[in-house]
Amino acid sequence: DTGVSQDPRHKITKRGQNVTFRCDPISEHNRLYWYRQTLGQGPEFLTYFQNEAQLEKSRLLSDRFSAERPKGSFSTLEIQRTEQGDSAMYLCASSLEAGSEQYFGPGTRLTVT
Amino acid sequence: EDQVTQSPEALRLQEGESSSLNCSYTVSGLRGLFWYRQDPGKGPEFLFTLYSAGEEKEKERLKATLTKKESFLHITAPKPEDSATYLCAPASGGSYIPTFGRGTSLIVHP
Repeated sequence: DTGVSQDPRHKITKRGQNVTFRCDPISEHNRLYWYRQTLGQGPEFLTYFQNEAQLEKSRLLSDRFSAERPKGSFSTLEIQRTEQGDSAMYLCASSLEAGSEQYFGPGTRLTVT
Repeated sequence: EDQVTQSPEALRLQEGESSSLNCSYTVSGLRGLFWYRQDPGKGPEFLFTLYSAGEEKEKERLKATLTKKESFLHITAPKPEDSATYLCAPASGGSYIPTFGRGTSLIVHP
């Protein structure tokens, strides 16, 4: 296994459209995290999964955002009715267990026009 | 609410000029503090985890230290390839969710 992968790497969409991103974690990792990062800022936590269970969501996470991790493997992050403020880098990370280091994917850069 | 402040925001060094980056944090119940390196357009790359005050870890030209309120990333004799943004992220609570600082952008000139 070569690490965390994300698809697509870049997405340009028009305001109001829905988008979906995919993350494939390191295979033996139980935890999977989604972050959002804008220019000049550190990654901002969105949500995380322990296996297939979504255990926590940020208070900042709009109800337009939804995430799934069916069968505890890959995860998807969907944004409905995109807004220009959603433009950012969306990062996925995985870790073996709580407290262990997180390994990040290359990110999906979303541009909403 | 957990708070993390990294300083300086940007740092320019000459190759071989050692320096330190600072991470000040206010979290309730620190469970661990992570350091990451991030190159432009890429995801963060894990460097270190520190769990308790007094702990130190080293990797090549980097050494991370931890006190009860701060962590330092010391860079000894840096090279141009050390140029990157360095992110600090303390984690607290049972979920161990890290709070990332804004990072220090380091440029090392040859």
